[in-house]
Amino acid sequence: LAKTTQPISMDSYEGQEVNITCSHNNIATNDYITWYQQFPSQGPRFIIQGYKTKVTNEVASLFIPADRKSSTLSLPRVSLSDTAVYYCLVALWSSASKIIFGSGTRLSIRP
Amino acid sequence: NAGVMQNPRHLVRRRGQEARLRCSPMKGHSHVYWYRQLPEEGLKFMVYLQKENIIDESGMPKERFSAEFPKEGPSILRIQQVVRGDSAAYFCASSPPSQGDTEAFFGQGTRLTVV
Repeated sequence: LAKTTQPISMDSYEGQEVNITCSHNNIATNDYITWYQQFPSQGPRFIIQGYKTKVTNEVASLFIPADRKSSTLSLPRVSLSDTAVYYCLVALWSSASKIIFGSGTRLSIRP
Repeated sequence: NAGVMQNPRHLVRRRGQEARLRCSPMKGHSHVYWYRQLPEEGLKFMVYLQKENIIDESGMPKERFSAEFPKEGPSILRIQQVVRGDSAAYFCASSPPSQGDTEAFFGQGTRLTVV
């Protein structure tokens, strides 16, 4: 199973950059790294995905070192609306049963 | 392009009744995944289906639970003779055949309450 480890919770303030790191020591060659955001009473929302190096979209950046055993989700200039649970997933959806959501990182943003 | 649609959003059932949860994938998506989430916990995989096929049901309880994804219509997660422990949020996700490995999009979930 593609197990991941990420902090249980993080706190930050509006306007700050937030970096959430995820460890995935047993990542397989074909696995992709995907991050989801979940608000209370809603389904997870896809944020960003990558295989190696750096990926950036309008919402976030994803940094993946060469060994791929970890990844860092970077949220620039967070706002109160970024308060949510963030999940790091490793695997391919064709092997969906191997994708472990875990408890995620509960991010709290303060004014 | 509408997202993944789940209905009902909220469902209340008495113990012993049946619950039927529906999931309409995004247009063009042929892969559907069902997950269960208890309060303050992560999502737990239940079943992965493609049209008319169950690909992986390793996360489904052996009894009372079944899932289908017919050629026409939504995917259905069926729970027979519900018990209080079935109370949870049930989410489905879908992915397209061409990118089935890397992207999946979730619906808003169905919150099942067993009384």
